[in-house]
Amino acid sequence: AQSVAQPEDQVNVAEGNPLTVKCTYSVSGNPYLFWYVQYPNRGLQFLLKYITGDNLVKGSYGFEAEFNKSQTSFHLKKPSALVSDSALYFCAVRGLDSGTYKYIFGTGTRLKVLA
Amino acid sequence: KAGVTQTPRYLIKTRGQQVTLSCSPISGHRSVSWYQQTPGQGLQFLFEYFSETQRNKGNFPGRFSGRQFSNSRSEMNVSTLELGDSALYLCASSVGQLYNEQFFGPGTRLTVL
Repeated sequence: AQSVAQPEDQVNVAEGNPLTVKCTYSVSGNPYLFWYVQYPNRGLQFLLKYITGDNLVKGSYGFEAEFNKSQTSFHLKKPSALVSDSALYFCAVRGLDSGTYKYIFGTGTRLKVLA
Repeated sequence: KAGVTQTPRYLIKTRGQQVTLSCSPISGHRSVSWYQQTPGQGLQFLFEYFSETQRNKGNFPGRFSGRQFSNSRSEMNVSTLELGDSALYLCASSVGQLYNEQFFGPGTRLTVL
């Protein structure tokens, strides 16, 4: 069965420092990988996705993610964190599971950027 | 373009009742998915509909059901409500291909007393 793991419940980083939110996955076949963000009192928003091609994908708000097939990881990164980046981040994978393609979300990582 | 809308936004029910939630996707989107979000379990996939057909289903009991209409609007029904069904129910729409990102609605907050 496919799965997604976000090993950190919370990540704290100082404003201006680089940030990384980790995600590892397990799927059959080629994965479609996504990152979403949920701001307080707002809905989930799409950040970026990896389908195929270049392992480094760029998304909204200056975020990027690196696909690493050998480590089955898709970590979210940003060179310089902003206080406004504080939110709940979800990694998601869509892969073949028991004959159908399902969306599986990680448990989420709360990012706190400290001023 | 209008975003994904969900009605109602808040709902209070008692155990044993049933409830129907509604979702209107972004115009042109043919795929609608439903999720249950709780603090303890995170986002759990319920089901996905595409062109009025259920394409995928998560691991939820048969009390949870859904349907999609010809205009892509979708409804989700939960029968015989239990306290554990209290959650935020999210609807998401996408164009429909497997690699398309999803656009989420604000959710319906269901409280079961």
